[in-house]
Amino acid sequence: KAGVTQTPRYLIKTRGQQVTLSCSPISGHRSVSWYQQTPGQGLQFLFEYFSETQRNKGNFPGRFSGRQFSNSRSEMNVSTLELGDSALYLCASSQQGTGELFFGEGSRLTVL
Amino acid sequence: AQSVTQLDSQVPVFEEAPVELRCNYSSSVSVYLFWYVQYPNQGLQLLLKYLSGSTLVKGINGFEAEFNKSQTSFHLRKPSVHISDTAEYFCAAKAAGNKLTFGGGTRVLVKP
Repeated sequence: KAGVTQTPRYLIKTRGQQVTLSCSPISGHRSVSWYQQTPGQGLQFLFEYFSETQRNKGNFPGRFSGRQFSNSRSEMNVSTLELGDSALYLCASSQQGTGELFFGEGSRLTVL
Repeated sequence: AQSVTQLDSQVPVFEEAPVELRCNYSSSVSVYLFWYVQYPNQGLQLLLKYLSGSTLVKGINGFEAEFNKSQTSFHLRKPSVHISDTAEYFCAAKAAGNKLTFGGGTRVLVKP
């Protein structure tokens, strides 16, 4: 069974640009969560989607948005990038229930 | 609201010595508890989980953790570490319907 796939793995953007990150969950998993990981703030929850509906949302500005498609694949978008958005963005999928998350390897975003 | 505190940000340990990583959680309701490991430049991998039942939980790579409800703790232990255990370890908690909340992480450096 293939794991969680995130693309791209690495990307460099400049301030003011926007970025879209993609996540393909494990087959059969309908829940997708996104986390931002930085050295200073650790792992911070962005949002969770289940069956195309946002179920939980973290404390991030509106520049951060996401969506989930009918095949459970998910995308997150960050508009008007700031230097502080530089981070590893992790996607995780799960089956409904106990909350065990399966993580992808992440997309490392650098904002210059 | 739930929170997770990892009491040690870094733990240096010699190879073949035991290690204990401390984790405390706070929640007004019952939670599921997890330990994840992150190797350099990778996503998070589940080590073990406590959902219910026996308070001593065994995981992969020789790790185990004990759930202590009265002390609201879920400490992770390994009796003899290897160089390959050098990584960052995250404790996490989840209440029903809520997001998974992570602690700040503990970096384990195994020295030869």
